Amino acid sequence: AQSVTQPDIHITVSEGASLELRCNYSYGATPYLFWYVQSPGQGLQLLLKYFSGDTLVQGIKGFEAEFKRSQSSFNLRKPSVHWSDAAEYFCALHSGTYKYIFGTGTRLKVLA
Amino acid sequence: NAGVTQTPKFRILKIGQSMTLQCTQDMNHNYMYWYRQDPGMGLKLIYYSVGAGITDKGEVPNGYNVSRSTTEDFPLRLELAAPSQTSVYFCASRLGAEEAFFGQGTRLTVV
Repeated sequence: AQSVTQPDIHITVSEGASLELRCNYSYGATPYLFWYVQSPGQGLQLLLKYFSGDTLVQGIKGFEAEFKRSQSSFNLRKPSVHWSDAAEYFCALHSGTYKYIFGTGTRLKVLA
Repeated sequence: NAGVTQTPKFRILKIGQSMTLQCTQDMNHNYMYWYRQDPGMGLKLIYYSVGAGITDKGEVPNGYNVSRSTTEDFPLRLELAAPSQTSVYFCASRLGAEEAFFGQGTRLTVV
């Protein structure tokens, strides 16, 4: 069965520190993978996506993610966090069919 | 393009009332989805559609109905509202294998 796991419910980092948000997936083949960000009271905005090719993908707002097939992971990273990055982050996958599966989200808090 | 538009943004319903959450997209997307988001639970799929005239249940369809008479519109109907339906509802659309685009959400409270 397809699934997405985000093991960290909450993460707190200091402004300027690096960030890594974890995402693990379960799927028999290579899925299409996404990271979304949700600011309070807003909808979900796409940060980046992986379909195939280069396993390191760049997104908006200085985020990047690396697809690791051997670890079934698609972790999101940012070298230096800004206070405006405080939000909830969702990892998602689909297999090309109708199913679009989300993790439960990681809420990021940024300390000044 | 306006993207995905949801109305209303906020609504308070009394138990037993009915309402329709509207969702329109102007991107000619074939897939459309309704999710509900509860704190700490991520997004749960209520219903989805793969094209006009075709809809199917997701994970949590009970208490809801949908229709898809056109490519653009995918309304979600709540019949006999219950407190358990208090949630934030998101509509999304997608074209083929591409990413999903989301509306701004409808915050519904049932009292």
